[in-house]
Amino acid sequence: DTEVTQTPKHLVMGMTNKKSLKCEQHMGHRAMYWYKQKAKKPPELMFVYSYEKLSINESVPSRFSPECPNSSLLNLHLHALQPEDSALYLCASSLDRGFTDTQYFGPGTRLTVL
Amino acid sequence: GQQVMQIPQYQHVQEGEDFTTYCNSSTTLSNIQWYKQRPGGHPVFLIQLVKSGEVKKQKRLTFQFGEAKKNSSLHITATQTTDVGTYFCAGSIGALNFGKGTSLLVTP
Repeated sequence: DTEVTQTPKHLVMGMTNKKSLKCEQHMGHRAMYWYKQKAKKPPELMFVYSYEKLSINESVPSRFSPECPNSSLLNLHLHALQPEDSALYLCASSLDRGFTDTQYFGPGTRLTVL
Repeated sequence: GQQVMQIPQYQHVQEGEDFTTYCNSSTTLSNIQWYKQRPGGHPVFLIQLVKSGEVKKQKRLTFQFGEAKKNSSLHITATQTTDVGTYFCAGSIGALNFGKGTSLLVTP
C-alpha cells in the first residue's frame, strides 16, 4: 500500500466552526507532514511529526492544531479560521524525517472558509 | 529560509516540442526531488537525485543534478498533452524547499 488518504476531499466552513482534517498512511512511515497550498503556488510546510512527536511548527497560527494519535494517523484541527485560510491542505508521509526521503502526498482537502 | 529558484514560471508548447525547467539553489543540496501536479490534483513524486552530476531518465523525461549539487533540470522530449501540469523541484537543505513550479501547457 503506497497510498496516503485524506478526508474529507472538500470542506466548507464558517469562521466560527470547528472542523478536523484527517490523514492516514499504512506504509510504516515515521514522518508525517501538513502542507498548505494556495492556487498556483508551491506547497508550504506547516507541521512535521516524527515518530508521533511534533518536530517542526513553521510559525503556524494557533487556529490550526495538529495531532498525531498514532504512527498511521495525522489530524489537523481547525477553529476560528479566516477566509484567507482557504486553500488545499496536503498531508504527506516519508520513511523518516530527514527530508532526504521521498514524500508521498495525499490527494488533499480543499478547504473554503466563508 | 533557504530558497530554491525555478524557471520559467510558465511554458506553452506545441505537442511534439521539447520542454525544460530549471532549478537553482545558492546552497549545496543534499538531494533534489521532482514532483508533478496535474490541474486539480496533488503533487506526485517523480524522481530523486542524490549524486553530483547524476542523470536519470524516465521514458521521455531526463533529470540532471549539477556537479556542484546546486542546480537541476527536467527535460521532456517530444511533449504530449498528458504532460500538462505543474512541475516542482524540491531541494533538501535541512527541510524540503519547493521551487515555485513551472506550469506546462501543451497544445495539440
